[in-house]
Amino acid sequence: GENVEQHPSTLSVQEGDSAVIKCTYSDSASNYFPWYKQELGKRPQLIIDIRSNVGEKKDQRIAVTLNKTAKHFSLHITETQPEDSAVYFCAARANAGKSTFGDGTTLTVKP
Amino acid sequence: GAVVSQHPSWVICKSGTSVKIECRSLDFQATTMFWYRQFPKQSLMLMATSNEGSKATYEQGVEKDKFLINHASLTLSTLTVTSAHPEDSSFYICSRAGGTDTQYFGPGTRLTVL
Repeated sequence: GENVEQHPSTLSVQEGDSAVIKCTYSDSASNYFPWYKQELGKRPQLIIDIRSNVGEKKDQRIAVTLNKTAKHFSLHITETQPEDSAVYFCAARANAGKSTFGDGTTLTVKP
Repeated sequence: GAVVSQHPSWVICKSGTSVKIECRSLDFQATTMFWYRQFPKQSLMLMATSNEGSKATYEQGVEKDKFLINHASLTLSTLTVTSAHPEDSSFYICSRAGGTDTQYFGPGTRLTVL
């Protein structure tokens, strides 16, 4: 089955700095890669996603890059704000619909 | 607005009792729904795929006789934790697929077994 590894497990940045979280996946059949933000006790919220036919996608301060050959994808958050503090999960999914999640990254943005 | 609801949002029960959690798709007839479990400070782990009108598909290591899943209609899937024990205490989240790649999660149910 699919295996998704996520790094780092914790990340602390100063407000205004950039944050980068990286994930690797094992199943070459995976073709959809979402990123979720989860606040304590709440459901995961989709913040950006990318499909395997695209190398990069950007939405305001958030961007995701995908390297299919190397089987890795990354989340980039620029101009971080304290409200960006949360746990971020990457996931990978093939056509069957099951998502495999990374272990999560706890991002802390210090004012 | 929310497209997937869960009930209850939290439940406390005694060890040995059974607890039923409902997951409703509010805007879409979902033939497939997913059940996840999330322990504190851990990731979401898929427990099973719920298929309308047929048996659920359980992930390796998940006891199908302990976690009963029923998906009797296109808008409702239920997860029953039978003979719950303290180690079953967790955050249970359902989601639905369908339509697009986007996966919509329910708000989760916090189960505490005393």
